[in-house]
Amino acid sequence: GESVGLHLPTLSVQEGDNSIINCAYSNSASDYFIWYKQESGKGPQFIIDIRSNMDKRQGQRVTVLLNKTVKHLSLQIAATQPGDSAVYFCAEPIRSGNTGKLIFGQGTTLQVKP
Amino acid sequence: DTAVSQTPKYLVTQMGNDKSIKCEQNLGHDTMYWYKQDSKKFLKIMFSYNNKELIINETVPNRFSPKSPDKAHLNLHINSLELGDSAVYFCASSHRTGGQETQYFGPGTRLLVL
Repeated sequence: GESVGLHLPTLSVQEGDNSIINCAYSNSASDYFIWYKQESGKGPQFIIDIRSNMDKRQGQRVTVLLNKTVKHLSLQIAATQPGDSAVYFCAEPIRSGNTGKLIFGQGTTLQVKP
Repeated sequence: DTAVSQTPKYLVTQMGNDKSIKCEQNLGHDTMYWYKQDSKKFLKIMFSYNNKELIINETVPNRFSPKSPDKAHLNLHINSLELGDSAVYFCASSHRTGGQETQYFGPGTRLLVL
């Protein structure tokens, strides 16, 4: 079956440093991935997505890299700030009829040290 | 202004009770979902509704019964609550866009069964 997984449950970085959160997936036919951020006490929030016809996509302070050869994607956060502290999930939408479901990875907790 | 809202935010109840969680979205989306997040932050889909029709039921016990009175609402009723039902339940909604949908999550309902 489909699965996505993250490498590290917790990542601790110094404020101002760059953060890299990794995710692996198993289905080589997967063509779309999403990163979500979940702050404490809140629901997951969309950050950025990437399709399989791209290797890289940039947003504001965030970059997602996709390596289809090794079935790996990463989320890079530049100049990490305290407000970036959260749990980060990679997710893959799986289509089902008229809708789809999100398969989430385990989540990486990002801790930003002042 | 809240796009996806859930009530209640916290729910503490005794084993064996029946409880309901309500969800409403004002985004005009036609698909709504329920996800369960366990104590290890793992997020898993439970149900999906499209235009009030059940699309996905991820082998959830039949003690859980979703109900969608209209496209903007998806409620979750749970009978005979068990200790293992303790979790955070998230409602989400999406509008199908080219087959790959961004899902917007509510703030979650924290259920504790004693």
